[in-house]
Amino acid sequence: EDQVTQSPEALRLQEGESSSLNCSYTVSGLRGLFWYRQDPGKGPEFLFTLYSAGEEKEKERLKATLTKKESFLHITAPKPEDSATYLCAVQANTGGFKTIFGAGTRLFVKA
Amino acid sequence: SAVISQKPSRDICQRGTSLTIQCQVDSQVTMMFWYRQQPGQSLTLIATANQGSEATYESGFVIDKFPISRPNLTFSTLTVSNMSPEDSSIYLCSVAQLAVNNEQFFGPGTRLTVL
Repeated sequence: EDQVTQSPEALRLQEGESSSLNCSYTVSGLRGLFWYRQDPGKGPEFLFTLYSAGEEKEKERLKATLTKKESFLHITAPKPEDSATYLCAVQANTGGFKTIFGAGTRLFVKA
Repeated sequence: SAVISQKPSRDICQRGTSLTIQCQVDSQVTMMFWYRQQPGQSLTLIATANQGSEATYESGFVIDKFPISRPNLTFSTLTVSNMSPEDSSIYLCSVAQLAVNNEQFFGPGTRLTVL
């Protein structure tokens, strides 16, 4: 069964303290892996798509990487405005266009 | 990316009643989806809204409880029928433009509370 597991559940950082969020996945043929940011009371905001192992994408302080079993979202020198829940999701080659989401990592960045 | 709006943004409803949620996109899209996000949890796909035909439901979701319409390429509705407190959730519409990529973009959500 296709599955996505994110860790940690919650992460508290000081402003400027870099760290990484983990997304482990099990899928019968990966079509794509997605990262989203969700602020309280809002819909998820698309960040990145990764398609194959070794791929990396960057946006401001965020960098997403992908291996055959997991993805990392690296946050460099975070600011308080980076506080949000970060969601990882996968699509399988055999699942139509069904997207399976992980439970998310709640990130808190303190000034 | 497409601009997606949902109505209502929130509602408080009585047990046994029904609520219809609207999703409007500012451009034609290939795919439209409906998700549920229960308090403190992640997103669960309810169904894929198909234009001009019956929606495709995921395991655990049925048409009688969650009827869906998609009359054209920019609009869809989700009805939550015969509501109970367990239906209290955020309901999210998402869209994808498959001719471009598989990325999904989400609306702002509808926060539903059932008393």
